[in-house]
Amino acid sequence: QVQLQESGPGLVKPSETLSLTCTVSGASITRDYWTWIRQPPGKELDWIGYIFASGSTNYNPSLKSRVTISVDTSKNQFSLNVTSVTAADTAVYYCARGITTMTTWDYWGQGILVTVSS
Amino acid sequence: DIQMTQSPSSVSASVGDRVTITCRASQGVSRWLAWFQQKPGKAPKLLIYAASTLQSGVPSRFSGSGSGTDFTLTISSLQPEDFATYYCQQADTFPITFGQGTRLDIK
Repeated sequence: QVQLQESGPGLVKPSETLSLTCTVSGASITRDYWTWIRQPPGKELDWIGYIFASGSTNYNPSLKSRVTISVDTSKNQFSLNVTSVTAADTAVYYCARGITTMTTWDYWGQGILVTVSS
Repeated sequence: DIQMTQSPSSVSASVGDRVTITCRASQGVSRWLAWFQQKPGKAPKLLIYAASTLQSGVPSRFSGSGSGTDFTLTISSLQPEDFATYYCQQADTFPITFGQGTRLDIK
């Protein structure tokens, strides 16, 4: 059974960097592609970007200058960094696994709420 | 960016009803369209991908159709566990975008 689990701080100060990690079990991070998606409270889903195990990435241009997604194959994890955060980055952050037949996702983490506030 | 517009934004229905949700793309997305179900406090669940392919384990009362700019999600006979918010998502053109959601409530 594939499982994903997000971890990281639930509170980040404005202008600082948001850092989250997704730990994958039941599947190898060296296969497939891995995604971060966020959902501001009461709003729709917002795709952040994805990474292949090779390190190849694709980011949403709306965030591209502030986002980095990386993979650690030794730990079967992938990570998200968002720099210079503001209140607009407050959201539930999800990690997910991509399916092969189209760019969408079959297994998701439970999500982690990150609040940007001083 | 491709805008995905769902209608209605909310709908009330009863157990056993047939419900259809529509998703319209601001430009053609071929059949690169997925549907998700999300319950409060939970992650989205993939229901349908490639417009009409049912994800493994999803009940057959869910079906999807459409291509180009107009798509529908149909639930043939509502069950109590189907009351949730539904989102469409296009994967034809980056950035990937989602609809604003359709909330399905119990009447």
